[in-house]
Amino acid sequence: KAGVTQTPRYLIKTRGQQVTLSCSPISGHRSVSWYQQTPGQGLQFLFEYFSETQRNKGNFPGRFSGRQFSNSRSEMNVSTLELGDSALYLCASSLVPPMPPGGELFFGEGSRLTVL
Amino acid sequence: KNQVEQSPQSLIILEGKNCTLQCNYTVSPFSNLRWYKQDTGRGPVSLTIMTFSENTKSNGRYTATLDADTKQSSLHITASQLSDSASYICVVSARGGSQGNLIFGKGTKLSVKP
Repeated sequence: KAGVTQTPRYLIKTRGQQVTLSCSPISGHRSVSWYQQTPGQGLQFLFEYFSETQRNKGNFPGRFSGRQFSNSRSEMNVSTLELGDSALYLCASSLVPPMPPGGELFFGEGSRLTVL
Repeated sequence: KNQVEQSPQSLIILEGKNCTLQCNYTVSPFSNLRWYKQDTGRGPVSLTIMTFSENTKSNGRYTATLDADTKQSSLHITASQLSDSASYICVVSARGGSQGNLIFGKGTKLSVKP
Protein backbone atom coordinates (compact mmCIF):
# COMPACT_ATOMS: atom_id res chain seq x y z
CA LYS A 1 0.00 0.00 0.00
CA ALA A 2 1.56 3.28 -1.08
CA GLY A 3 2.22 5.84 1.63
CA VAL A 4 1.62 9.56 1.65
CA THR A 5 3.37 11.18 -1.31
CA GLN A 6 4.55 14.78 -1.26
CA THR A 7 5.97 16.73 -4.16
CA PRO A 8 8.33 18.34 -4.70
CA ARG A 9 10.75 17.05 -2.07
CA TYR A 10 13.04 20.06 -2.30
CA LEU A 11 12.62 23.52 -3.72
CA ILE A 12 14.31 26.89 -3.56
CA LYS A 13 12.45 30.15 -3.99
CA THR A 14 13.22 33.82 -3.52
CA ARG A 15 11.41 36.30 -1.34
CA GLY A 16 8.15 37.54 -2.81
CA GLN A 17 7.55 34.46 -4.93
CA GLN A 18 4.80 31.96 -4.32
CA VAL A 19 4.94 28.18 -3.99
CA THR A 20 2.49 25.30 -4.32
CA LEU A 21 3.08 21.98 -2.59
CA SER A 22 1.19 18.79 -3.34
CA CYS A 23 0.13 15.85 -1.17
CA SER A 24 -1.42 12.56 -2.23
CA PRO A 25 -2.85 10.69 0.78
CA ILE A 26 -2.93 6.96 1.34
CA SER A 27 -5.61 5.37 -0.81
CA GLY A 28 -8.92 5.47 1.05
CA HIS A 29 -7.86 8.24 3.43
CA ARG A 30 -10.12 11.27 3.15
CA SER A 31 -8.53 13.52 5.76
CA VAL A 32 -5.38 15.50 5.00
CA SER A 33 -3.59 17.88 7.30
CA TRP A 34 -0.56 20.10 6.81
CA TYR A 35 2.22 21.05 9.21
CA GLN A 36 5.20 23.37 9.20
CA GLN A 37 8.35 22.17 10.91
CA THR A 38 11.24 24.47 11.80
CA PRO A 39 14.17 23.84 14.15
CA GLY A 40 13.03 26.54 16.57
CA GLN A 41 9.28 25.92 16.69
CA GLY A 42 8.98 22.21 16.01
CA LEU A 43 5.85 20.98 14.27
CA GLN A 44 3.00 23.46 13.92
CA PHE A 45 -0.44 22.73 12.55
CA LEU A 46 -1.40 24.63 9.40
CA PHE A 47 -4.81 23.28 8.31
CA GLU A 48 -6.89 20.18 7.90
CA TYR A 49 -9.21 19.08 5.10
CA PHE A 50 -11.87 16.46 4.83
CA SER A 51 -14.06 15.90 1.78
CA GLU A 52 -12.79 19.09 0.13
CA THR A 53 -13.73 21.20 3.18
CA GLN A 54 -11.29 22.95 5.49
CA ARG A 55 -12.24 21.88 9.00
CA ASN A 56 -9.51 23.49 11.03
CA LYS A 57 -6.89 26.15 10.54
CA GLY A 58 -3.84 26.91 12.60
CA ASN A 59 -2.49 30.27 13.58
CA PHE A 60 -0.78 31.24 10.33
CA PRO A 61 -1.22 34.36 8.18
CA GLY A 62 -3.53 34.41 5.19
CA ARG A 63 -0.55 33.93 2.86
CA PHE A 64 -0.87 30.26 3.70
CA SER A 65 -3.79 28.56 2.01
CA GLY A 66 -4.80 25.12 0.89
CA ARG A 67 -7.41 23.07 -0.81
CA GLN A 68 -8.46 19.49 -1.27
CA PHE A 69 -9.72 17.89 -4.44
CA SER A 70 -12.45 15.32 -4.93
CA ASN A 71 -9.84 12.53 -5.12
CA SER A 72 -8.57 13.62 -1.65
CA ARG A 73 -5.32 14.97 -3.02
CA SER A 74 -4.41 18.27 -1.39
CA GLU A 75 -2.32 21.29 -2.22
CA MET A 76 -1.05 24.10 -0.07
CA ASN A 77 0.06 27.47 -1.34
CA VAL A 78 2.25 30.12 0.22
CA SER A 79 2.20 33.52 -1.42
CA THR A 80 4.63 36.40 -1.04
CA LEU A 81 7.30 34.19 0.46
CA GLU A 82 9.36 35.45 3.39
CA LEU A 83 12.71 34.18 4.66
CA GLY A 84 10.94 32.80 7.73
CA ASP A 85 8.85 30.49 5.57
CA SER A 86 11.89 28.29 5.06
CA ALA A 87 10.86 25.00 6.63
CA LEU A 88 9.94 21.38 6.12
CA TYR A 89 6.26 21.18 5.17
CA LEU A 90 4.68 17.89 6.14
CA CYS A 91 1.41 16.42 5.05
CA ALA A 92 -0.41 13.68 6.96
CA SER A 93 -3.44 11.60 6.11
CA SER A 94 -5.91 9.61 8.16
CA LEU A 95 -9.02 7.62 7.44
CA VAL A 96 -11.72 10.01 8.60
CA PRO A 97 -11.95 12.83 11.09
CA PRO A 98 -12.62 13.21 13.87
CA MET A 99 -9.97 10.68 14.73
CA PRO A 100 -11.21 8.30 17.40
CA PRO A 101 -8.86 7.58 20.28
CA GLY A 102 -6.26 5.35 18.70
CA GLY A 103 -6.66 6.85 15.24
CA GLU A 104 -3.38 7.25 13.46
CA LEU A 105 -1.77 9.94 11.34
CA PHE A 106 0.47 8.86 8.48
CA PHE A 107 3.02 11.45 7.45
CA GLY A 108 4.68 12.00 4.12
CA GLU A 109 8.41 12.66 3.73
CA GLY A 110 7.83 16.39 3.48
CA SER A 111 8.72 19.20 1.12
CA ARG A 112 11.83 21.13 2.11
CA LEU A 113 11.37 24.79 1.15
CA THR A 114 14.27 27.21 1.20
CA VAL A 115 13.53 30.90 0.70
CA LEU A 116 16.49 33.07 -0.32
CA LYS B 1 -2.77 27.12 27.67
CA ASN B 2 -2.31 23.66 26.11
CA GLN B 3 1.37 22.79 26.07
CA VAL B 4 3.62 19.79 25.63
CA GLU B 5 7.17 19.90 26.97
CA GLN B 6 9.81 17.30 26.31
CA SER B 7 13.09 16.64 28.05
CA PRO B 8 15.92 16.42 27.51
CA GLN B 9 16.28 18.46 24.32
CA SER B 10 19.08 16.19 23.21
CA LEU B 11 20.73 13.04 24.43
CA ILE B 12 23.80 11.03 23.48
CA ILE B 13 24.09 7.40 24.50
CA LEU B 14 26.28 4.43 23.60
CA GLU B 15 24.93 1.61 21.48
CA GLY B 16 23.36 -1.10 23.60
CA LYS B 17 22.44 1.20 26.46
CA ASN B 18 18.89 2.03 27.58
CA CYS B 19 17.41 5.51 27.77
CA THR B 20 14.22 7.25 28.82
CA LEU B 21 12.67 10.35 27.25
CA GLN B 22 10.15 12.49 29.10
CA CYS B 23 6.99 14.31 28.06
CA ASN B 24 4.91 16.57 30.32
CA TYR B 25 1.66 18.09 29.12
CA THR B 26 -1.01 20.52 30.24
CA VAL B 27 -3.55 19.60 27.55
CA SER B 28 -7.18 19.46 28.59
CA PRO B 29 -9.49 17.72 27.98
CA PHE B 30 -7.09 14.90 27.20
CA SER B 31 -7.86 12.41 24.44
CA ASN B 32 -4.68 10.52 23.64
CA LEU B 33 -0.90 10.76 23.62
CA ARG B 34 1.36 9.65 20.78
CA TRP B 35 5.05 9.17 20.34
CA TYR B 36 6.59 9.60 16.92
CA LYS B 37 10.09 8.85 15.65
CA GLN B 38 11.46 11.19 13.01
CA ASP B 39 14.66 10.39 11.16
CA THR B 40 16.58 13.37 9.83
CA GLY B 41 14.92 14.72 6.68
CA ARG B 42 12.04 12.26 6.86
CA GLY B 43 8.43 12.40 8.03
CA PRO B 44 7.46 11.28 11.56
CA VAL B 45 6.49 7.65 12.04
CA SER B 46 4.10 6.56 14.77
CA LEU B 47 5.53 4.46 17.61
CA THR B 48 2.65 4.30 20.09
CA ILE B 49 -0.75 5.79 20.78
CA MET B 50 -2.19 5.71 24.31
CA THR B 51 -5.59 6.72 25.60
CA PHE B 52 -6.52 7.82 29.11
CA SER B 53 -7.09 4.26 30.30
CA GLU B 54 -3.77 2.85 29.08
CA ASN B 55 -0.64 3.28 31.18
CA THR B 56 1.86 1.18 29.22
CA LYS B 57 2.26 0.31 25.57
CA SER B 58 5.15 -1.41 23.81
CA ASN B 59 6.36 -1.50 20.24
CA GLY B 60 9.40 -3.74 20.05
CA ARG B 61 12.21 -2.14 22.01
CA TYR B 62 10.10 0.99 22.61
CA THR B 63 7.89 1.16 25.71
CA ALA B 64 5.73 4.17 26.45
CA THR B 65 4.15 4.89 29.80
CA LEU B 66 1.39 7.33 30.65
CA ASP B 67 0.39 8.78 34.01
CA ALA B 68 -2.80 10.73 33.31
CA ASP B 69 -2.99 11.97 36.90
CA THR B 70 0.39 13.72 36.79
CA LYS B 71 0.11 14.38 33.03
CA GLN B 72 3.43 12.76 32.29
CA SER B 73 4.59 10.24 29.74
CA SER B 74 7.90 8.56 29.10
CA LEU B 75 9.38 6.64 26.21
CA HIS B 76 11.89 3.97 27.19
CA ILE B 77 14.25 2.56 24.59
CA THR B 78 15.89 -0.74 25.44
CA ALA B 79 19.21 -1.97 24.06
CA SER B 80 19.63 1.03 21.77
CA GLN B 81 20.82 0.62 18.19
CA LEU B 82 22.49 3.07 15.83
CA SER B 83 19.22 3.23 13.88
CA ASP B 84 17.50 4.68 16.95
CA SER B 85 19.30 7.96 16.28
CA ALA B 86 16.41 10.30 15.51
CA SER B 87 14.13 12.92 17.00
CA TYR B 88 11.33 11.63 19.19
CA ILE B 89 8.21 13.75 19.29
CA CYS B 90 5.44 13.61 21.88
CA VAL B 91 2.01 14.68 20.62
CA VAL B 92 -1.05 15.15 22.77
CA SER B 93 -4.57 15.27 21.40
CA ALA B 94 -7.30 17.27 23.07
CA ARG B 95 -10.74 15.68 23.05
CA GLY B 96 -12.59 16.61 19.91
CA GLY B 97 -10.23 14.62 17.78
CA SER B 98 -9.51 16.67 14.71
CA GLN B 99 -5.92 17.29 13.76
CA GLY B 100 -6.40 20.90 14.83
CA ASN B 101 -6.42 19.72 18.43
CA LEU B 102 -3.00 18.09 18.25
CA ILE B 103 -0.34 19.76 20.39
CA PHE B 104 3.23 18.88 19.50
CA GLY B 105 6.29 18.85 21.72
CA LYS B 106 9.53 20.13 20.22
CA GLY B 107 11.11 16.73 20.41
CA THR B 108 14.17 15.06 21.92
CA LYS B 109 17.09 14.48 19.58
CA LEU B 110 18.71 11.14 20.38
CA SER B 111 22.15 10.22 19.09
CA VAL B 112 23.34 6.65 19.54
CA LYS B 113 27.10 6.27 19.22
CA PRO B 114 29.02 3.04 18.52
